Amino acid sequence: AQKVTQAQTEISVVEKEDVTLDCVYETRDTTYYLFWYKQPPSGELVFLIRRNSFDEQNEISGRYSWNFQKSTSSFNFTITASQVVDSAVYFCALSEAYNNNDMRFGAGTRLTVKP
Amino acid sequence: NAGVTQTPKFQVLKTGQSMTLQCAQDMNHEYMSWYRQDPGMGLRLIHYSVGAGITDQGEVPNGYNVSRSTTEDFPLRLLSAAPSQTSVYFCASSRESSYNEQFFGPGTRLTVL
Repeated sequence: AQKVTQAQTEISVVEKEDVTLDCVYETRDTTYYLFWYKQPPSGELVFLIRRNSFDEQNEISGRYSWNFQKSTSSFNFTITASQVVDSAVYFCALSEAYNNNDMRFGAGTRLTVKP
Repeated sequence: NAGVTQTPKFQVLKTGQSMTLQCAQDMNHEYMSWYRQDPGMGLRLIHYSVGAGITDQGEVPNGYNVSRSTTEDFPLRLLSAAPSQTSVYFCASSRESSYNEQFFGPGTRLTVL
């Protein structure tokens, strides 16, 4: 079965610092999708990005960037010049092709950005 | 456009009681799912549905039932609540499958005494 590991349970940074959230995944499938979701203190989960297994191009969206490396089975998320509003729990998730209705989430990384 | 709605927001049950968590979406999404979120464990899939009349089990289905009689609604039933079911429950929906962006409801915080 697929598995997602987010080894960093909690990270604390000072505003304007860059921070990288790690995500390592396990799958036997060659076709799969990877996701990042944000859960702010309000509690609702917000979709950030989806990548498929055939697209290893890095992606940048404003201060957010994602580095997908199949060779190391990693899909890391970097926030540049962090802000207090970035404080949240961030989840990495994986959905495989052979069972594309079963999504597995990592345990999450709680990011605290201090002013 | 309300998105995904869940009721109630909070619930306290006694062991052995039953209840239904309600979930509705107004985006005409085929795929709906229920997750539970426990500290240190992320979200775990309980049940999902790919359309009206079709449901299937996820990673942690024991103690829960679901049905999907309409595209809009996907209720989750706890048959006989246990303290181990104390958790935050999220309902989500997306087009076609979990391959696509899932839209989550606000969650239901359930405590079983």
